[in-house]
Amino acid sequence: GAGVSQSPSNKVTEKGKDVELRCDPISGHTALYWYRQRLGQGLEFLIYFQGNSAPDKSGLPSDRFSAERTGESVSTLTIQRTQQEDSAVYLCASSYGLAGFSYNEQFFGPGTRLTVL
Amino acid sequence: TQLLEQSPQFLSIQEGENLTVYCNSSSVFSSLQWYRQEPGEGPVLLVTVVTGGEVKKLKRLTFQFGDARKDSSLHITAAQPGDTGLYLCAGLLIKAAGNKLTFGGGTRVLVKP
Repeated sequence: GAGVSQSPSNKVTEKGKDVELRCDPISGHTALYWYRQRLGQGLEFLIYFQGNSAPDKSGLPSDRFSAERTGESVSTLTIQRTQQEDSAVYLCASSYGLAGFSYNEQFFGPGTRLTVL
Repeated sequence: TQLLEQSPQFLSIQEGENLTVYCNSSSVFSSLQWYRQEPGEGPVLLVTVVTGGEVKKLKRLTFQFGDARKDSSLHITAAQPGDTGLYLCAGLLIKAAGNKLTFGGGTRVLVKP
């Protein structure tokens, strides 16, 4: 597609349920990033992939959060046993090129708004 | 405390006025980016600055990277309602791996007609 797409756009779930969020990066982009954005705030880094490996998982808030990527394509972010504090917009971004280049532009998707009741 | 502090957090001005948003840190960045985000959308890159002291202009927007590469500012001249949005600065730390950006908390700008 022309840009990064994410699904679903909105997800409402009950506390304790598992959710899976999907990101389709721009074709050919080797790097993929997940961020969390709480209401009215900046972006909090969660994890990034280079290809299908995840060199940096340092931003994942707890072991309830996990992510995987298939080849250099789709990524899913899974949150198990959701809690109310998980409510936020989850943004995905992709960029072209290898790690270490300081000004590769990241292209963002529209995000998934997660609400945990 | 965030690594990148943005100020102010919120700015409301009338159309035609000027505004400046600041992004400050005690850490040194190899590059710094500014994004604008509109409701329901992801951030969109406005500019990347990589050299200390660099000034870049994009129509009515002027971006400056501090000499020590620890701070940056965004200045908008004669603001228009279309400039309304959340402005985010994001920096790449010197030793950051994988193009991992550190984001500021954002400045919400409202330009009233």
